[in-house]
Amino acid sequence: QAVVTQEPSLTVSPGGTVTLTCGSSTGAVTAGHFPYWFQQKPGQAPRTLLHDASGTFSWTPARFSGSLLGGKAALTLSGAQPDDEAEYYCLLAYGANWVFGGGTRLTVL
Amino acid sequence: EVQLLESGGGLVQSGGSLRLSCAASGFPVITYPMTWVRQAPGKGLEWVSAINDAGSDTYYSGSVRGRFTISKDTSGVYLHMDKMRVDDAAIYYCLKGGWGSRFDIWGRGTLVAVSS
Repeated sequence: QAVVTQEPSLTVSPGGTVTLTCGSSTGAVTAGHFPYWFQQKPGQAPRTLLHDASGTFSWTPARFSGSLLGGKAALTLSGAQPDDEAEYYCLLAYGANWVFGGGTRLTVL
Repeated sequence: EVQLLESGGGLVQSGGSLRLSCAASGFPVITYPMTWVRQAPGKGLEWVSAINDAGSDTYYSGSVRGRFTISKDTSGVYLHMDKMRVDDAAIYYCLKGGWGSRFDIWGRGTLVAVSS
């Protein structure tokens, strides 16, 4: 089974910008992996943030954006707020199955 | 409003069975693919199983294939878990979406504990 890699932890200052990445053990992440990004706060269910690398939902804050960058999927947070402190997971498609990354714990400090 | 409500979690002995339910409201569940995701205590998310919109195609992760069965009807989606193992202990989340439809809405989850 493929392994999806994310930074274990990152820290960003309030108002700052940070990029989280999502890589694949099988090679470059492409649009064909249909990358998703999810946010999970302690004690809560996850929430879907982005689909297909950069697609947003009506509830996705404008400060979150996604892209494919350097062979990885990337989630960029511009203008971090204390409420953005959470665990962030990416999800990639491999054939009929899906694989989550291990998650990135984002601290806003 | 689209909502998913899981139920059926609880404590089961290793080797036992449990059936989880996910009641769907606010959308026609029979026209959407649906997915189960789990999260072991203190761990990350794990994709478990999915079913297509018609309910005719099912998909499983390697860790549950042959032991878990996903199904759906007009009311919701279900996960029948057999031959359960200690490492199946987790919060199980229902997720609207899958192949052909975006993952979007999550349920609140139901907790499954497995005793040895």
